[in-house]
Amino acid sequence: EIVLTQSPDFQSVTPKEKVTITCRASQSIGTSLHWYQQKPDQSPKLLIKYASQSISGVPSRFSGSGSGTDFTLTINSLEAEDAAAYYCHQSSSFPLTFGGGTKVEIK
Amino acid sequence: EVQLVESGGGLVQPGGSLRLSCAASGFTFSSYEMNWVRQAPGKGLDWVSYISSSGSTIYYADSVKGRFTISRDNAKNSLYLQMNSLRAEDTALYYCARGYSNDYWGQGTLVTVSS
Repeated sequence: EIVLTQSPDFQSVTPKEKVTITCRASQSIGTSLHWYQQKPDQSPKLLIKYASQSISGVPSRFSGSGSGTDFTLTINSLEAEDAAAYYCHQSSSFPLTFGGGTKVEIK
Repeated sequence: EVQLVESGGGLVQPGGSLRLSCAASGFTFSSYEMNWVRQAPGKGLDWVSYISSSGSTIYYADSVKGRFTISRDNAKNSLYLQMNSLRAEDTALYYCARGYSNDYWGQGTLVTVSS
C-alpha cells in the first residue's frame, strides 16, 4: 500500500500569505496525485489533478507541482474563503489512498 | 450539470446490512469508472472501493473486503454499495465520486452502525 504523508497537519495563516502543503508518497507514483479542498459540512472539491493540471473554475492562486514521491500544493495570496482541509490522493495503484489532511485556518 | 446523489444510509445494528445507491446524471455514466469514499466523523477521507466503467474490474480496501460489494447498472446510471456484516468502525459519511481523479462528488449519505 502506498502511504501518503502530508505536512503540516495544521497551518494558521494571514490573508495574502503564501501557503505550501507537501505530500510525500512512500514509493514513486509518477504524477498520479490529486489535491482536494474540503470546507466544513461540504463534499471534497477537486483542485488539482495529476500533480499539476489545473481544474476549470478553480482560482488560479491554487497550483500543484511534483512527481515521483514529492508533491506540493501552493496557494498564492491566501483568501479568507480558503479556510478548509486539504487532502492529497494517489491513483497510481490499488488500494487507492489519501493523505491525512492539512487544516488551514485563517488568522 | 454533473450530479451524483447518494441514498440508502441510516442507522443499523452491528452485523446488519445496508445498500447504498448513487444516482448519476449530467454525463455519460457508462464511460466513467467510479469510487466509493467514506469519512468517519471528524476524520479524513478513506477510499472504500472502485469499479471500472464496464464493471469488469473491481477493487476494495482491505478493511471492507469480503463484506462490501460494489456494482453498477449503466442502463440506470446508478452505482451501488452492498454493505454486510457492518461494524461500528464503518460509521461514516459515504460519498460516490467520479473517475480516477474523483472530479465530482456527491453530497454523501450517512451510515451509523450502533446498537
